[in-house]
Amino acid sequence: GAGVSQSPSNKVTEKGKDVELRCDPISGHTALYWYRQSLGQGLEFLIYFQGNSAPDKSGLPSDRFSAERTGGSVSTLTIQRTQQEDSAVYLCASSLAEGQVWPNEQFFGPGTRLTVL
Amino acid sequence: DQQVKQNSPSLSVQEGRISILNCDYTNSMFDYFLWYKKYPAEGPTFLISISSIKDKNEDGRFTVFLNKSAKHLSLHIVPSQPGDSAVYFCAARSSFTGANSKLTFGKGITLSVRP
Repeated sequence: GAGVSQSPSNKVTEKGKDVELRCDPISGHTALYWYRQSLGQGLEFLIYFQGNSAPDKSGLPSDRFSAERTGGSVSTLTIQRTQQEDSAVYLCASSLAEGQVWPNEQFFGPGTRLTVL
Repeated sequence: DQQVKQNSPSLSVQEGRISILNCDYTNSMFDYFLWYKKYPAEGPTFLISISSIKDKNEDGRFTVFLNKSAKHLSLHIVPSQPGDSAVYFCAARSSFTGANSKLTFGKGITLSVRP
């Protein structure tokens, strides 16, 4: 079946512009995560959605970052007034709901490489 | 404060030999550990995992060892193959975070297997 897809694969923007990154999770996966990988760093947790529960936004680095998940499926990560330090690969992952299966593997998309000039 | 550390940024081994990738963690609440493999321009793919109730898990050529007292785990690949050349991420999670199974990742190790 189809895996996690993300679009665009690459995004170049100018400092101060807003960007939207999209994630299509695996069908049936109710949990969705956003991570980012800055150059030379590991993957950094940003935000987590689980079903209709309030998202865990504890990893968002600033209030310029926000994310939505519509209809429990597609998610959009929005970065407002982008800064050069926002340049990174943004990765989306999805999994079954916690407790449905153990271990509960997260499946990652290919990522969106964001470059802020 | 990095809770998952992969102190060696790269490793080069000869085909057929053993690759040993190390990972250390500081958070004693972590109770589940995973290794992900990443090729360029692709997302990480799950490789192998281990629960804190075990000290070893084996899957084909891949074995993960966990030393809880030392807060250390290692991934052994034997025999190593050129197709194993990739970035390997160590990740950890805690069941005490409730439903959020967010993973804490290390910086990754670039493995190169020489033919």
